[in-house]
Amino acid sequence: DGGITQSPKYLFRKEGQNVTLSCEQNLNHDAMYWYRQDPGQGLRLIYYSQIVNDFQKGDIAEGYSVSREKKESFPLTVTSAQKNPTAFYLCASSNPSGVSTGELFFGEGSRLTVL
Amino acid sequence: LAKTTQPISMDSYEGQEVNITCSHNNIATNDYITWYQQFPSQGPRFIIQGYKTKVTNEVASLFIPADRKSSTLSLPRVSLSDTAVYYCPLGSSNTGKLIFGQGTTLQVKP
Repeated sequence: DGGITQSPKYLFRKEGQNVTLSCEQNLNHDAMYWYRQDPGQGLRLIYYSQIVNDFQKGDIAEGYSVSREKKESFPLTVTSAQKNPTAFYLCASSNPSGVSTGELFFGEGSRLTVL
Repeated sequence: LAKTTQPISMDSYEGQEVNITCSHNNIATNDYITWYQQFPSQGPRFIIQGYKTKVTNEVASLFIPADRKSSTLSLPRVSLSDTAVYYCPLGSSNTGKLIFGQGTTLQVKP
């Protein structure tokens, strides 16, 4: 089945540790996105990539890093510099047309808890 | 991208039509309007997208006035399973960014 797979679904981390969240898509989409969601809040854009080997910062990129070495993969690293990393992280992909980004397809999310 | 404003919450009853309005006073020429639905602990799901006038699909209608400073999502005959958070993110065809606001929590009662 085509879709987006995020792993792990749940992750616990000690303060000071870096963690990497995986995001893989087999939809052949060009664009991929990472969002963060805090309880009762909307989604905030961390990073996005419109093409392989290129990515841009979103609104809350500090303390995060990404790579886009392959079209199907867009891993997110939460570094120790991120002061409050406990959150629900969502990855999405889309196939932009000349008019819009197109429909975003989201993964099931990864819930990170810092102990 | 322009900021969007929505009501924080709305209540409705099964079988009623629900209209959720989103305000985007500073929408840019290259921005388009989308609506997403999100259930707890899941990723949002696309509902509908438009640029101007009216768009209808199998689940909803989207009304956009000529000045595009607001948009209204219309859900016909809601059911309990429509209880969710609804977002109206604006997307830029220039940057490829899609920015979500706070969303509207819709509670459908029996």
